[in-house]
Amino acid sequence: AQKVTQAQTEISVVEKEDVTLDCVYETRDTTYYLFWYKQPPSGELVFLIRRNSFDEQNEISGRYSWNFQKSTSSFNFTITASQVVDSAVYFCALSEISGGGADGLTFGKGTHLIIQP
Amino acid sequence: NAGVTQTPKFQVLKTGQSMTLQCAQDMNHEYMSWYRQDPGMGLRLIHYSVGAGITDQGEVPNGYNVSRSTTEDFPLRLLSAAPSQTSVYFCASRETGANYEQYFGPGTRLTVT
Repeated sequence: AQKVTQAQTEISVVEKEDVTLDCVYETRDTTYYLFWYKQPPSGELVFLIRRNSFDEQNEISGRYSWNFQKSTSSFNFTITASQVVDSAVYFCALSEISGGGADGLTFGKGTHLIIQP
Repeated sequence: NAGVTQTPKFQVLKTGQSMTLQCAQDMNHEYMSWYRQDPGMGLRLIHYSVGAGITDQGEVPNGYNVSRSTTEDFPLRLLSAAPSQTSVYFCASRETGANYEQYFGPGTRLTVT
């Protein structure tokens, strides 16, 4: 069965520091998709990125970057020059292609990121 | 587009009461699902539907019932609420296919006393 592990329960850094959120996954599928979602204090879930298992290129979007390494089954998320508005819970999630992804997303338990001014 | 809407936003129930959490989407998505979020547990799939008239169980289906009579609506029923069902419930929808992102509703915070 698939599994997503976010070992960091809570991270606290001072504004402008860089921070990396770790995500390790397990799956028997060869084709799958990985996602990151952000949940700010207001509670909604905001989609950040999707990556398929065949695309190991790193991605950068502004201050956000993602490092996908199939060899270590990891999909880590880095925020550069963090800001207070980045404070949120971040979830990594996995969707397997078998069955058309009908089983939905398997989420990690989330990492609570606190950016102190 | 309103996206995915959920009602109510907050609800308090007594043990044994029943209620229905409403979910609707206006994006013509075939796939809809319900998750619950508990502290320190992430989100877990309760039930899902791949189209009108088709539903199936997720990871934690016990105590919940769903039906899908239209593409737009996917209500979640609690037949006899228990304190263990105190949680935040999220409805989500997406296009057919595992590669598509899920769009989440704003959530319903349910407390069962």
